[in-house]
Amino acid sequence: DADVTQTPRNRITKTGKRIMLECSQTKGHDRMYWYRQDPGLGLRLIYYSFDVKDINKGEISDGYSVSRQAQAKFSLSLESAIPNQTALYFCATSEGGRETQYFGPGTRLLVL
Amino acid sequence: GESVGLHLPTLSVQEGDNSIINCAYSNSASDYFIWYKQESGKGPQFIIDIRSNMDKRQGQRVTVLLNKTVKHLSLQIAATQPGDSAVYFCAENSGNTPLVFGKGTRLSVIA
Repeated sequence: DADVTQTPRNRITKTGKRIMLECSQTKGHDRMYWYRQDPGLGLRLIYYSFDVKDINKGEISDGYSVSRQAQAKFSLSLESAIPNQTALYFCATSEGGRETQYFGPGTRLLVL
Repeated sequence: GESVGLHLPTLSVQEGDNSIINCAYSNSASDYFIWYKQESGKGPQFIIDIRSNMDKRQGQRVTVLLNKTVKHLSLQIAATQPGDSAVYFCAENSGNTPLVFGKGTRLSVIA
């Protein structure tokens, strides 16, 4: 969905490096989410934010941090990347009070 | 713990046949359910949703059925087409909590 964009789309990094994945949305939604997807494990929630001043940990927040810079922007950081963080990362948004989530195209991350 | 899961991890159907993808959930407080389709290399896309005050909802070629008694959700795709080949996820939530996703079912359409 072009209303939710993620950058970069692909990233290769080395163990120990700090990286940031960015998400922007033009849908005007209050809520934003970061998920990771691994083969056979579906989508697992890392962090979510219900508005600019709200940050919540999800199922697998260890090793990650987030920043909600504005209503439209939500970034995910790996402070010191490790190989088992190799995965596909998705950002999603939803309107406050409704949980239909709209997903970005994903960022494929490889940590060597 | 509470979980959302799927009965079948893979499903192969003949083009033109109907497909049924099943999902079990364990949280009896869940009041909103949604199906997503994920094609290779893309993010999940919304297909159809249903609230707990309904037991059936129809869209274009798709129908979602909800059986709250046995905590079961299904997605029916009529006249399955090659373009329906994808991974399908069910998800659920209650109140103000984020969606909880199942692990997905891969649908393969045989031409």
